[in-house]
Amino acid sequence: KAGVTQTPRYLIKTRGQQVTLSCSPISGHRSVSWYQQTPGQGLQFLFEYFSETQRNKGNFPGRFSGRQFSNSRSEMNVSTLELGDSALYLCASSLGTGGTEAFFGQGTRLTVV
Amino acid sequence: GESVGLHLPTLSVQEGDNSIINCAYSNSASDYFIWYKQESGKGPQFIIDIRSNMDKRQGQRVTVLLNKTVKHLSLQIAATQPGDSAVYFCAEILSYNTDKLIFGTGTRLQVFP
Repeated sequence: KAGVTQTPRYLIKTRGQQVTLSCSPISGHRSVSWYQQTPGQGLQFLFEYFSETQRNKGNFPGRFSGRQFSNSRSEMNVSTLELGDSALYLCASSLGTGGTEAFFGQGTRLTVV
Repeated sequence: GESVGLHLPTLSVQEGDNSIINCAYSNSASDYFIWYKQESGKGPQFIIDIRSNMDKRQGQRVTVLLNKTVKHLSLQIAATQPGDSAVYFCAEILSYNTDKLIFGTGTRLQVFP
């Protein structure tokens, strides 16, 4: 079956702009989580969505937001981009029952200039 | 607090040798642990997992050991191959009500001939 699909793969944005990233989970998976990966901070949890509801949220400013649709696809948005937002954004898909395997997409590489 | 740490940032091994990657976690209430492998330019790939009610689990060439007394997790790779070269992350999930992963900092495994 198809894996986790993230689009776009690469993005270059200017400071102050906003960006929307998309994630399509594995068919049948109802939970989508987002992570930010940087060389300095490693993999950090952004938020988790299950059945269109945010189930958990990490310690990121309000400029970072997300949502999940009825088909389990998810988007995350970052407004007023800062240079420090440059990172690899990863989406993970899981069944959603809690404490289960999470499968990752290839990520979206965001560069803010 | 919520943290998962790694003892060694880089591990170099000779092809054919066994590799051991270690991880310390801080939350004794964690229910579920996963090891991921991340190759350059790719998202993390699931390797093996273990529940908190187990102390050992084996896969193909990999074994995960869990020592709850000292809150320590290890990944053993038998007969290490060049294709095993990657960054390895341990991650924990705190409860069955979430799929939120808390990642360690990662260990880079380098395999030389």
